[in-house]
This record gives sequence, C-alpha cells and structure tokens, in this order.
Amino acid sequence: NAGVTQTPKFQVLKTGQSMTLQCAQDMNHEYMSWYRQDPGMGLRLIHYSVGAGITDQGEVPNGYNVSRSTTEDFPLRLLSAAPSQTSVYFCASSQERTGAYGYTFGSGTRLTVV
Amino acid sequence: GEDVEQSLFLSVREGDSSVINCTYTDSSSTYLYWYKQEPGAGLQLLTYIFSNMDMKQDQRLTVLLNKKDKHLSLRIADTQTGDSAIYFCATGPGGSYIPTFGRGTSLIVHP
Repeated sequence: NAGVTQTPKFQVLKTGQSMTLQCAQDMNHEYMSWYRQDPGMGLRLIHYSVGAGITDQGEVPNGYNVSRSTTEDFPLRLLSAAPSQTSVYFCASSQERTGAYGYTFGSGTRLTVV
Repeated sequence: GEDVEQSLFLSVREGDSSVINCTYTDSSSTYLYWYKQEPGAGLQLLTYIFSNMDMKQDQRLTVLLNKKDKHLSLRIADTQTGDSAIYFCATGPGGSYIPTFGRGTSLIVHP
C-alpha cells in the first residue's frame, strides 16, 4: 500500500533510554518531516528534509536527531529520552518541497517516557 | 513566526451544515489545506486550494478563501456523525519549506 509507514505504533521508554522511530514512504516524495502532537499544542515541527542528504531543524528540535540517507527513509532518533518527550509523533511527506498536492501523514507513534 | 488560528470547538446537529473558520498571517502562502484527524489516526488531507482561487467545491465540501482578510473556511454540507473529528487548517509553505498548522477544531455532530 502506497503511503507513509511508521513503526512502532506504541512504545514505552525509561528516562535516559534511546530509540529510533522509523518512517518510510514509497511515493518517491521529495519532502519528509517529523511532528509531535500534544494536547492543546497542535502540531509542532521537529525536523524536516527537502531531499536525501539534506535535513534542517524545525520548531522543537532539541533532543532529537534525524538523517536522510535515502529518499524513502527518514528516521527520528531520541538520544536520551525524557518525560517531556511523551507525545504522539507523526511523519509526513510531500511530493514536492513546495507542498503542492498536500502532505501525506503516517498513522503515528505513541511514545510514553516513564 | 507565521500563525494560523482556529476556534477549538464546533457543535452541530446531524443534517445541518458545518462551517469551520481559519485565519492566517502568511500572505505568501501558495497553498492552503484542510486536514481531518479521527481519533487515534494520522491527519488525512481533505482538500486544498491554491492561493489564486476564491472557492473550491468537492462533493459536500466547499472551501472559501478571502485573501484580503486572510480568512479560509471549510463548509461541510449535510453533516453526518461520521464527520465528527478534528479539522486542521494549514498554510504553506510560503517563503520556506515549512507548512503552518492551526491547533485544530473539534467538530462534534449530535444526532
């Protein structure tokens, strides 16, 4: 099925642990991004990429790393998890960096840090 | 930074029309979008409009754009209980590669 695939769907981490949230798209989209969604805060952009080898910071990048070695994959790494990183994380992609035709979202990863 | 504002809640009766409003600040936005999020799911693109258009209609959905007032609206005709969800307005990407999302409007449809 064409689209954006995120894994895992749920994860519980202990404070200080590290992990990688996976995001893959099979639509040959140029643009990929990571958001976190918290109650009352809407969507906040963490990092984004306009193509393989190119990444940039969004609104809330601290505590997260990304890389884009292929067009298809855009993993998000939590270096040392903190309770403040408890959130729902969404990966989104777009055919063009201009946003033409809109953004396709994955189904999300619900992360709890205890 | 740029901003998109929406009211947080809207309650309507089944069969009525729903109108969700949005105001934005980025006058250079090329595209304006409406997304729907159902509980436990990701955001689903409902429709989008180019900044040089005033209106777009797609079945029960009508999008109106007033560029002068920087106001975008989504009208859902004959609202059904299945339309209950959070609706996000978004603009972008303007001068950057980053779209701006509103905080979402929770639409509650009463039988």
